[in-house]
Amino acid sequence: DIQMTQSPSSLSASVGDRVTITCRASQSISIYLNWYQHKPGKAPMLLIYTASSLQSGVPSRFSGSGSGTDFTLTISSLQPEDFATYYCQQSYSTPTWTFGQGTKVEIK
Amino acid sequence: QVQLVQSGAEVKKPGASVKVSCKASGYTFSSFGVSWVRQAPGQGLEWMGWISGYNDNTKYSQKFQDRVTMTTDTSTSTAYMELRNLRSDDTAMYYCARAIRYSGYDYWGQGTLVTVSS
Repeated sequence: DIQMTQSPSSLSASVGDRVTITCRASQSISIYLNWYQHKPGKAPMLLIYTASSLQSGVPSRFSGSGSGTDFTLTISSLQPEDFATYYCQQSYSTPTWTFGQGTKVEIK
Repeated sequence: QVQLVQSGAEVKKPGASVKVSCKASGYTFSSFGVSWVRQAPGQGLEWMGWISGYNDNTKYSQKFQDRVTMTTDTSTSTAYMELRNLRSDDTAMYYCARAIRYSGYDYWGQGTLVTVSS
């Protein structure tokens, strides 16, 4: 199975900060990497698919990049509603789409 | 509009089984697969498996291979996930999600809380 490793596991940031989360795959997954936002009591929400495509309705402050084994999610200017846990997911090994362990973004 | 509506919360005893439903609407059920994902308290998202909405092909996580069965009823556009021989560490929120080929899960159910307790 493809293993996904995110870093950091958690971070503290202030409103307006630029935030970067990284995700590494245990083997090359081309561009088949997705990012989700998950808030307590709600279902996860797809933010970015195939590494850099912005899901419809998602604010443009979210962006993704990378290919092969290394990927990045960037929030250009953190907003109060962005405090949540973020997960990467590989969709290369269809249909076994494993998740990273998550990165919790907290208020500084 | 696309919706996935899951069945209500369940409380089960260790060793019992639970069957969670996920009723889809707003799209052609047979055109997409459905995956099941769970989140135990304080833990991350865990992929459990996938079922085709077209031909009932399934793929399960090795972790659950011996205890899980995923099925569909195309006449009602409903997917089901049955987990057997429940243990206390199966206590979790269980989600269904629509799978877009190579592009993630774009719609999710609201989640079903399964509590396993004696």
